[in-house]
Amino acid sequence: GAVVSQHPSRVICKSGTSVKIECRSLDFQATTMFWYRQFPKKSLMLMATSNEGSKATYEQGVEKDKFLINHASLTLSTLTVTSAHPEDSSFYICSARERGRGRTEAFFGQGTRLTVV
Amino acid sequence: EDQVTQSPEALRLQEGESSSLNCSYTVSGLRGLFWYRQDPGKGPEFLFTLYSAGEEKEKERLKATLTKKESFLHITAPKPEDSATYLCAVQANTGGFKTIFGAGTRLFVKA
Repeated sequence: GAVVSQHPSRVICKSGTSVKIECRSLDFQATTMFWYRQFPKKSLMLMATSNEGSKATYEQGVEKDKFLINHASLTLSTLTVTSAHPEDSSFYICSARERGRGRTEAFFGQGTRLTVV
Repeated sequence: EDQVTQSPEALRLQEGESSSLNCSYTVSGLRGLFWYRQDPGKGPEFLFTLYSAGEEKEKERLKATLTKKESFLHITAPKPEDSATYLCAVQANTGGFKTIFGAGTRLFVKA
């Protein structure tokens, strides 16, 4: 149980285009989903927290107009990187917390390696 | 400010050589402390949640313990397949379910 699927696992896009990353909880309903960014050999940096049906809460320094997050259902959240630039190249990871089980831990997707050329 | 510091940054062990990884934390009221394992190019894999000082949890060769200021991840008789980055994270009992991660300890186990 507690499987989170992230798609795509790798994407290469041209500078100036937009890229959408999907995060799905496969066998549970996710009250809250989180989006992280990870640089090589560094820890996870929380970008935003999204709750189903409401606007995402972004961390300080994260541009909400650049990183669009939609959490339209209890099993799906999407991150869209708009007008991507090479500095947006990174490893993006989502996690999801199960609804109503009283558990606090979150489960992670496989990550998406974004390369902007 | 909530903070997590892990040490050492990297640890090299021989197969069978037991050791411990440290996670020191400061948080305004601990809701939970988590350990994850991360392989290169993958998302973190959940290992343990600890909620209160004195709590211990075990899974195969791993044992996690918690005090009021730190947590240890003990690895007994490690195997090469235990090589990975181990991440520690905390969640405060305020501010929703936001989780703060440490930088991780990269473990290398040589056969």
